[in-house]
Formats: sequence, structure tokens, C-alpha cells
Amino acid sequence: NAGVTQTPKFQVLKTGQSMTLQCAQDMNHEYMSWYRQDPGMGLRLIHYSVGAGITDQGEVPNGYNVSRSTTEDFPLRLLSAAPSQTSVYFCASRTSGTYEQYFGPGTRLTVT
Amino acid sequence: SQKIEQNSEALNIQEGKTATLTCNYTNYSPAYLQWYRQDPGRGPVFLLLIRENEKEKRKERLKVTFDTTLKQSLFHITASQPADSATYLCALVNYGQNFVFGPGTRLSVLP
Repeated sequence: NAGVTQTPKFQVLKTGQSMTLQCAQDMNHEYMSWYRQDPGMGLRLIHYSVGAGITDQGEVPNGYNVSRSTTEDFPLRLLSAAPSQTSVYFCASRTSGTYEQYFGPGTRLTVT
Repeated sequence: SQKIEQNSEALNIQEGKTATLTCNYTNYSPAYLQWYRQDPGRGPVFLLLIRENEKEKRKERLKVTFDTTLKQSLFHITASQPADSATYLCALVNYGQNFVFGPGTRLSVLP
């Protein structure tokens, strides 16, 4: 099993550009989430999904969109990048029966 | 507002000693509390979960305590090794299955 994979690993964007961060898992997990991690702050939840076709907002959803068309994939879209979105982004998944989250390796995003 | 604090940003200890990390929270009633390990440039890795009605949980050299009256969890690593050097995150989970993470404590175990 590859677990949770994320691409790209690094990305630099200019203000106003859009992009999609990819996340995939091969563990057949129902729950998937996107977090951002900033220095001195805990992981903050952006969006999450409890199954294909179902998504909901987390703590900091503004400026981001998600969709979940399959169990495996959960892409995160930045609509118009802003410097405040410079961060490390983590995707995580888990089954509905446990609270153990499996995290991907992260995407380091810089917006200039 | 809800707040989670971890005792210090960084903690240095000598190899072989017991490392104790603290997680304090306010304005929150978690059903579960978790600890994760995060190495530089990597995603967090789950270590332990303790339920609100459990006082203590152990796994090999790791021990977690949970005091819902004090709103505090302690995370102990006994016989610490340089390989235990990492950032440790605590996370609260409520009955709505929402996760809230603390900022982490960076542990350095010196040989």
C-alpha cells in the first residue's frame, strides 16, 4: 500500500494564480481531510469529506474548494492564490471505525 | 474560544531520561485525545489514543495520561533515545468527530 500520497511536494505560485493540490489514498478510507500547518500553530482543518460526493467546511475554508468524486481522491483547489495561503498542506484519511488519521507527506506552497 | 497549548515549543533532554510533554486545553470537552509524532518534512504519524474515561494508556516506552478535570494530558517517553527526537502533537477529538491540534513540542534527545 502506498498509503496517502500528495502531489506536488513543492509549489511556487504568483498572487492570483490557481492550482490544484492532489491527494490520493489506497486504503479504502471513507474520511479524508485537508489541513494547513503554519509555524507556531496547530494543524488547521480546511475541508473534509465523509465519503464520495460528500464534503464540508472546516475551520479555515475561505479561498479553497474541494470535491470528492471517488473514494480514493480528494483534490484541493486554490481559486486565486494569496500570500496568506503560503503554508504546508497535509491530506489525511481514516476509516469511519477509528480516529487514527493517516497523513500524506505534505505540499509546501509559497505564494509570492 | 477553544485553545490547546503544549508546554513548550522545544524540550531538550539527555538520552536515557524520561521525556514528559504536556498538552493543556480550555473551552473544549473532548471525547478522545491523541498524540502524533512529526519528523521534519514529513506528515504526522499517529502514536496513541486515550478516551475521556481512561486515565492512562501505554504502548512500549510511551505512556499517556488524561485528566479531564485538569484539562490536561501528559505524554511520557521512557528511556529516551536520540531517535525519539521529533515534534510531538496532541489532538483533541470531540463527539462530532472534529479534530483540533495543538502547536506541537519539538523534542531533542541529546546523546
